[in-house]
Amino acid sequence: GESVGLHLPTLSVQEGDNSIINCAYSNSASDYFIWYKQESGKGPQFIIDIRSNMDKRQGQRVTVLLNKTVKHLSLQIAATQPGDSAVYFCAENNAGNMLTFGGGTRLMVKP
Amino acid sequence: DSGVTQTPKHLITATGQRVTLRCSPRSGDLSVYWYQQSLDQGLQFLIQYYNGEERAKGNILERFSAQQFPDLHSELNLSSLELGDSALYFCASSDPMDEQYFGPGTRLTVT
Repeated sequence: GESVGLHLPTLSVQEGDNSIINCAYSNSASDYFIWYKQESGKGPQFIIDIRSNMDKRQGQRVTVLLNKTVKHLSLQIAATQPGDSAVYFCAENNAGNMLTFGGGTRLMVKP
Repeated sequence: DSGVTQTPKHLITATGQRVTLRCSPRSGDLSVYWYQQSLDQGLQFLIQYYNGEERAKGNILERFSAQQFPDLHSELNLSSLELGDSALYFCASSDPMDEQYFGPGTRLTVT
């Protein structure tokens, strides 16, 4: 499949370990943040979102943390599986519904 | 499967040509967004339509234009193509809760 980006930071984890992917956002006025997963040859897939009035939100095996003070967002994946291997993007929603994406992090899960 | 469809999947054309990319949003979604994903620029928002009207504009070149039809499908027109326009073009649609669902993309190669 297509390569999303050749120069992405890469996080390599062992299957079963927890993964933490970090993201810094730019606009302090952003009120909605989303994490997307993009597998090779596919479009970004919604994982989890969080609004600016929250600092933590949990989904199935995923947790998003938001620190507005330092404009930082993280995605935690519990018990990482080979199927989690993908590129992960954070996105901030500002000025209506316009998403600004971060550069992406490639997650590689070693069996 | 996000429910968003895009055609064609692949497109190869020459510099100076014009192409049209097509997107059908998820059933019930009124908003359509177009994004460009290139190796050096990442995912960039181009333009948003809501129920047939332009709602927001991002880093879209003047050579590019889009429209949304009464049946809510959208087309992205790229003209006077240059080598640097080679990229993945994604369409997304959103529900009233703001989640954007991405299509599988169209890979454009300009030779």
